[in-house]
Amino acid sequence: DVKVTQSSRYLVKRTGEKVFLECVQDMDHENMFWYRQDPGLGLRLIYFSYDVKMKEKGDIPEGYSVSREKKERFSLILESASTNQTSMYLCASSSLTPGANVLTFGAGSRLTVL
Amino acid sequence: GDSVTQMEGPVTLSEEAFLTINCTYTATGYPSLFWYVQYPGEGLQLLLKATKADDKGSNKGFEATYRKETTSFHLEKGSVQVSDSAVYFCALSGGSNYKLTFGKGTLLTVNP
Repeated sequence: DVKVTQSSRYLVKRTGEKVFLECVQDMDHENMFWYRQDPGLGLRLIYFSYDVKMKEKGDIPEGYSVSREKKERFSLILESASTNQTSMYLCASSSLTPGANVLTFGAGSRLTVL
Repeated sequence: GDSVTQMEGPVTLSEEAFLTINCTYTATGYPSLFWYVQYPGEGLQLLLKATKADDKGSNKGFEATYRKETTSFHLEKGSVQVSDSAVYFCALSGGSNYKLTFGKGTLLTVNP
């Protein structure tokens, strides 16, 4: 069964800590995405990547960075976590094949920053 | 820019009731439209999609028709079940990078 795997389902970190959220997909997808999900705000795109070492800012990139060294792995980095980054983080991937712009999501990583 | 507006929840229905969740969009060109569903404790999964005007997407008894004239993609189901309780997201894809723009989500609770 093809899937997107987020390594941590639940994390608790302290303000100022550096946080890594890891995402791996086994579908050989070109595109990978990081979204943030908050009640009443829906999903907001943080960053996406359409190729190895390529990245583009989404709608809310401030306070985040990303890394894509291998096609299957896309990491979200919080350089100095803050309480307003407490949220659910969703990773997704999709193929570049025309007409196949369907996102496959991971189960999510719920981050709490104290 | 692209945007999606969907009806605010929560929506609470009894089993076997008819469901409609409204979704309208703003986009340039001809976007693809999607409904995703998120069951408790899980990530989002595709429910159905439509890629051009007048297309009807359907899956698991849910349907939605791409209406270009009203820029809408309303989700319907004739008879909901308790297992349909979830958060439903309307989304569109209008850009070349295949990124999706999501609505804020509608929480549906179905009571037995």
